[in-house]
Amino acid sequence: DAGVIQSPRHEVTEMGQEVTLRCKPISGHDYLFWYRQTMMRGLELLIYFNNNVPIDDSGMPEDRFSAKMPNASFSTLKIQPSEPRDSAVYFCASTPVRNQPQHFGDGTRLSIL
Amino acid sequence: AQTVTQSQPEMSVQEAETVTLSCTYDTSESNYYLFWYKQPPSRQMILVIRQEAYKQQNATENRFSVNFQKAAKSFSLKISDSQLGDTAMYFCAFMPSYNTDKLIFGTGTRLQVFP
Repeated sequence: DAGVIQSPRHEVTEMGQEVTLRCKPISGHDYLFWYRQTMMRGLELLIYFNNNVPIDDSGMPEDRFSAKMPNASFSTLKIQPSEPRDSAVYFCASTPVRNQPQHFGDGTRLSIL
Repeated sequence: AQTVTQSQPEMSVQEAETVTLSCTYDTSESNYYLFWYKQPPSRQMILVIRQEAYKQQNATENRFSVNFQKAAKSFSLKISDSQLGDTAMYFCAFMPSYNTDKLIFGTGTRLQVFP
């Protein structure tokens, strides 16, 4: 079975541009999570969905960040406008039911110049 | 607030030796889940082992085992017969069992296995 698929793997863009990160969870997984990893803050949860509905977005840093899950097989994390401090690795993860291990994608390394 | 602490930023071990990575956590809950994840240089996050707090028995997965001390809120990872491929960042993570599915991660321990 395919794992969690994220695209792009790398993204380099200039400050002020809109950035869209994409995630396809494992088929049949009802939970989808977006994490950000930085040297300063480590791994932190941004938002998660259950059955396409956002459950907890308390980790979203500010209004420039938004996430959607229009269907069970696709989610996006958008940053508009982007800033250099948004540079990080963004991970998507999914799990079939509550309290089970989360399966992570390979991450997107985002660099904002 | 629930927190996870990994007090060893870096560790090293010789191939075939045993190494133990420390993790402590703070929670007022009685039931929860604990995980160790491995992140090699390739950047993937790979599940190593999982422990449910209500289970007394320590989890084991091949060369990986945990020492779960619930009263002390300690969850250490032991790697036996270390291999070069074990070189990675190791993250301890905590998940409360009620009300949320958030994983709270520690800051990680960088493990280097030497030949």
